[in-house]
Amino acid sequence: AQSVAQPEDQVNVAEGNPLTVKCTYSVSGNPYLFWYVQYPNRGLQFLLKYITGDNLVKGSYGFEAEFNKSQTSFHLKKPSALVSDSALYFCAVRDGNTDKLIFGTGTRLQVFP
Amino acid sequence: ETGVTQTPRHLVMGMTNKKSLKCEQHLGHNAMYWYKQSAKKPLELMFVYNFKEQTENNSVPSRFSPECPNSSHLFLHLHTLQPEDSALYLCASSPRGAEAFFGQGTRLTVV
Repeated sequence: AQSVAQPEDQVNVAEGNPLTVKCTYSVSGNPYLFWYVQYPNRGLQFLLKYITGDNLVKGSYGFEAEFNKSQTSFHLKKPSALVSDSALYFCAVRDGNTDKLIFGTGTRLQVFP
Repeated sequence: ETGVTQTPRHLVMGMTNKKSLKCEQHLGHNAMYWYKQSAKKPLELMFVYNFKEQTENNSVPSRFSPECPNSSHLFLHLHTLQPEDSALYLCASSPRGAEAFFGQGTRLTVV
């Protein structure tokens, strides 16, 4: 069975500092990995994905994520955080052979001025 | 704007009412999803449809009844709900193997 773990309920970071939001996954086949962001009372917005290719993928709003197969991780990163990055972030995984898209529990990112 | 439209945006219903949530996409995606998002709970996958065929039912109570009449439309029919069913219901669609696009959600309150 596929699953996603986001071990941190909340991450706090000062504006201008680098940020990392952690994600680990488990699938039986090839992992298709995604990050989404959710602002209050809104749907989820796609940030970036890893399907195949380079382990470091770049996405929207300056975010990037690194796929690490040996550690089964897909951590979200940004070199310099903005206050406007404060939101709820979800990691998701799909077993490449299915349409079933499973989300982690979410991590609330709080960026302080 | 993701191209996935959900109506209504807000719904208040009594426990004896029957109502339906609607989701529409004209992106040509083959898969459509219903998710439930409750306060302090993970995003729960409810149903998955692929080309109108249900491929996933994640042990959802029968008071939630999905319908997918064509590959562009997805409904969630609600009847005799409980207060704990109050949540944000999110619809999404995706091409095979790619990212999902989400609607804005329907905020459901059961009174």
